[in-house]
Amino acid sequence: QQPVQSPQAVILREGEDAVINCSSSKALYSVHWYRQKHGEAPVFLMILLKGGEQKGHEKISASFNEKKQQSSLYLTASQLSYSGTYFCGTVDNYGQNFVFGPGTRLSVLP
Amino acid sequence: DAMVIQNPRYQVTQFGKPVTLSCSQTLNHNVMYWYQQKSSQAPKLLFHYYDKDFNNEADTPDNFQSRRPNTSFCFLDIRSPGLGDAAMYLCATSRDPRLAGVVDTQYFGPGTRLTVL
Repeated sequence: QQPVQSPQAVILREGEDAVINCSSSKALYSVHWYRQKHGEAPVFLMILLKGGEQKGHEKISASFNEKKQQSSLYLTASQLSYSGTYFCGTVDNYGQNFVFGPGTRLSVLP
Repeated sequence: DAMVIQNPRYQVTQFGKPVTLSCSQTLNHNVMYWYQQKSSQAPKLLFHYYDKDFNNEADTPDNFQSRRPNTSFCFLDIRSPGLGDAAMYLCATSRDPRLAGVVDTQYFGPGTRLTVL
């Protein structure tokens, strides 16, 4: 079952922060985050495993609340290069069945 | 550098004319995936291989077939492309979840954009 992402789209000015949420109605083992720029392939950002782990990648970090079956991606002091569509992908509690969310389109303006 | 390569990057075909897309990888990953992605949508999994074990998604049309002659190569055949098959086709690889224990990071190729006239 496809996870839900919110918001569907967000527009920021350079330097502003954003949060993208991903939630599932089913118990999850892990959440994967990818970014895709227009006309390019998705690029892996990070995996979060159940256990409430938080990860960071430069100014992009994420958290995973397994009790709520929810993950959030935090983009701090956004840069123009952050523009793209962010997809979460969820893996069920058995560690199988990867499904992409519908995506969140992020536009960072100068 | 280890990578996933797709050829061609752009493919134009005519309605009903068979087309084959190819994917190769130097990551030595056991699992290969084919996704279809239409504009402003998430990638949709068509099928995947655990080594040579073929796994078809339930809603993948019969018009789509796949071959994996060896670990490095995988092909997507569209037997009779329709206008609705115009999309970006993405190939991805990962380590075998049966060995890693869970679904692992997927590494994507650059994609092939298919146009159907």
